[in-house]
Amino acid sequence: DVKVTQSSRYLVKRTGEKVFLECVQDMDHENMFWYRQDPGLGLRLIYFSYDVKMKEKGDIPEGYSVSREKKERFSLILESASTNQTSMYLCASGQGDSPLHFGNGTRLTVT
Amino acid sequence: AQSVTQPDIHITVSEGASLELRCNYSYGATPYLFWYVQSPGQGLQLLLKYFSGDTLVQGIKGFEAEFKRSQSSFNLRKPSVHWSDAAEYFCAVGNTDKLIFGTGTRLQVFP
Repeated sequence: DVKVTQSSRYLVKRTGEKVFLECVQDMDHENMFWYRQDPGLGLRLIYFSYDVKMKEKGDIPEGYSVSREKKERFSLILESASTNQTSMYLCASGQGDSPLHFGNGTRLTVT
Repeated sequence: AQSVTQPDIHITVSEGASLELRCNYSYGATPYLFWYVQSPGQGLQLLLKYFSGDTLVQGIKGFEAEFKRSQSSFNLRKPSVHWSDAAEYFCAVGNTDKLIFGTGTRLQVFP
């Protein structure tokens, strides 16, 4: 079974802090994604990556950046956290005709 | 523009009753279509997918969905709901490289 692991289930950070959300997948998938989930808005794509060291902006990239130094790891970075970035963050991976597989999510609270 | 609409934000059914969750999409090409389920505090789990062929697809947990091209719909159905089906359900459209999600339908099941 594909496993997508997000390093933290819950995080509490202060406004202005730099925040790293880590995601690791174990199926050698080329594609990895970061989504943000908010009530009434569904899942919105922040960034995605089709290969090591490449990244593409999704629908809501402002305030975020990403890093993909290794194929299995895709990190989401909040350069200066703000309260409006309080949300559930979901990482996913996939390849070819394989549907996306999701991690269990990281619930981030910025105070 | 590509989009997915789930018109029902919240549905309540009695255990044993039938269920239909609606999904309409707008997509330029023939889409891949998915239904995912999210239990509280968890990531998204794939219920079923449609890529091509038979327009009635079977998924896990007794769910099925029917692709109707003329109506741009991909509604999810289950003949008899169990209390454990209480969750949030997301319809998604796109290809396996990038998905667009609906805003979700929360299902509540009464005993």
